[in-house]
Amino acid sequence: DAMVIQNPRYQVTQFGKPVTLSCSQTLNHNVMYWYQQKSSQAPKLLFHYYDKDFNNEADTPDNFQSRRPNTSFCFLDIRSPGLGDAAMYLCATSQKTGAPSEQYFGPGTRLTVT
Amino acid sequence: GQNIDQPTEMTATEGAIVQINCTYQTSGFNGLFWYQQHAGEAPTFLSYNVLDGLEEKGRFSSFLSRSKGYSYLLLKELQMKDSASYLCAVMDSNYQLIWGAGTKLIIKP
Repeated sequence: DAMVIQNPRYQVTQFGKPVTLSCSQTLNHNVMYWYQQKSSQAPKLLFHYYDKDFNNEADTPDNFQSRRPNTSFCFLDIRSPGLGDAAMYLCATSQKTGAPSEQYFGPGTRLTVT
Repeated sequence: GQNIDQPTEMTATEGAIVQINCTYQTSGFNGLFWYQQHAGEAPTFLSYNVLDGLEEKGRFSSFLSRSKGYSYLLLKELQMKDSASYLCAVMDSNYQLIWGAGTKLIIKP
């Protein structure tokens, strides 16, 4: 089945220790998104890619970076995680931008910062 | 600013009907989405409305009034598995999704 895969599902890192979360998709969608979601809150968009065109949200901290080496893979790098970065990180894809399109989500990576 | 409002929590009884409301104020409108999110899981797509009126899909229906900035999700014949958060999201003029915080729906036997 075509899907969005995130690894790992659960990640524990130490305060200040860099961590990378990964996302892959078999849907061949050209748009990929990274969201941060804290408990009982709305998902907060961090970045999105339209193909290799990178779009950073204005309020995304510099501590967060992203890479998309090819259509299938996208990475979220947190350079120096703080306690406030503990959250669920959701990767999503959609078929195109510039038009309404459903987003397909991966299962998420729950990040704990100790 | 852009704003999506929905109730924080609702409780309903198994077998009953529940209506979850969403009001929005956004810069532009390119449709409204409803997603279901079970605890600790990713959101899954339920419905999309871009024109006024009711869209029915099995036990779930979604209604939109663009002039009122209002939508609702109607769930019929509630089942225990419907216990989840329901997220309303509006696609703005830049085709970005503006998300509500979600309504946690608790189903009681």
